[in-house]
Amino acid sequence: QQQVRQSPQSLTVWEGETAILNCSYEDSTFNYFPWYQQFPGEGPALLISIRSVSDKKEDGRFTIFFNKREKKLSLHITDSQPGDSATYFCAASGGYAQGLTFGLGTRVSVFP
Amino acid sequence: EAAVTQSPRNKVAVTGGKVTLSCNQTNNHNNMYWYRQDTGHGLRLIHYSYGAGSTEKGDIPDGYKASRPSQENFSLILELATPSQTSVYFCASGPSWGANSYEQYFGPGTRLTVL
Repeated sequence: QQQVRQSPQSLTVWEGETAILNCSYEDSTFNYFPWYQQFPGEGPALLISIRSVSDKKEDGRFTIFFNKREKKLSLHITDSQPGDSATYFCAASGGYAQGLTFGLGTRVSVFP
Repeated sequence: EAAVTQSPRNKVAVTGGKVTLSCNQTNNHNNMYWYRQDTGHGLRLIHYSYGAGSTEKGDIPDGYKASRPSQENFSLILELATPSQTSVYFCASGPSWGANSYEQYFGPGTRLTVL
């Protein structure tokens, strides 16, 4: 049973559009939610993260919206660029030094 | 530049053989982690460590051992490798204090094939 679920599995957008990636979780003890970006042949790179005490976190073109009551969050990539084409993973953790629980990822393709 | 490095980057092993995957970090982080990545399963936690001399079991520890001889180094050991352990393995490190204490930074991965 997947503790962290992501949708869609893949997403195609045109350059300049907003890509919206969704994530939901089961465990109510999760309180830290990072998003990772991974290019083929590389390790995941921390993109942006949010704690459960916040409902929004913004960093440049990347924004996380968090709904604790519904156990859902989303990553918005505004003004998408071809260089944003990658797989994005939503993850969750319940506490300090605990490992992360990952979703299966969303593959994003941005066409010029 | 602070970094997590892994060696080897690629490894082919035989069933029943012993495999050691190594990880080194220059982030001065106390916490280190081993994950494996498989299609259909995403990344899953195998072992982790809070500091030199400590190892803890993650979600899928069976068939794996870990060793943390120093702050900088964390190894994953497969005593008797099996084909089901064919995967890409990632090491990560994370700080133990401060505002970023939940963050984890990943290495480039080791692709292991067990024949």
